[in-house]
Amino acid sequence: DTGVSQNPRHKITKRGQNVTFRCDPISEHNRLYWYRQTLGQGPEFLTYFQNEAQLEKSRLLSDRFSAERPKGSFSTLEIQRTEQGDSAMYLCASGSGANVLTFGAGSRLTVL
Amino acid sequence: AQSVTQLGSHVSVSEGALVLLRCNYSSSVPPYLFWYVQYPNQGLQLLLKYTTGATLVKGINGFEAEFKKSETSFHLTKPSAHMSDAAEYFCAVRRLGDDMRFGAGTRLTVKP
Repeated sequence: DTGVSQNPRHKITKRGQNVTFRCDPISEHNRLYWYRQTLGQGPEFLTYFQNEAQLEKSRLLSDRFSAERPKGSFSTLEIQRTEQGDSAMYLCASGSGANVLTFGAGSRLTVL
Repeated sequence: AQSVTQLGSHVSVSEGALVLLRCNYSSSVPPYLFWYVQYPNQGLQLLLKYTTGATLVKGINGFEAEFKKSETSFHLTKPSAHMSDAAEYFCAVRRLGDDMRFGAGTRLTVKP
């Protein structure tokens, strides 16, 4: 297993465009998490899935954000009508039970 | 609710000196506690974790942390800093079944 994989690693887009990030978790992990990290801050929780069910969403996840995990394996995070304030590192992590979360390298979004 | 406070956003030590990064948590039930390290443009890497059992936990790269319930603390230490320890360190708390919550991070600088 190669760990948690995130793509793309860096996305530059113009304000108003839609972007989608993909996360491939560790295969045996049933939980998948999305976090957002801005410069100088710790990761902030956005949402998480247990298998294909989205169990919790943060208030940070506005209507422009949507996450899916259709088959309980990979997940996508889509941001519609991007704003400059969406510029951040989007981190994906996977885990199971009470175990630690294993993080991917992140997808950095820059909105011009 | 659970939260994490990291005292000191920036810590600077000389090579060979003691490293002490402070973390206090609040949680209504006994939590799981973690320290992660993040190098520039990379994801988070687990240093160590406390779940149950021995309160002094040893991690990778010579780091250790002690869970002190009476002080609600989980400070990270290393007896002798190395240049390669320069990075951002995040303390995190998690309850079984919940997502992981992170502190704002402490940037460690190691001077030659």
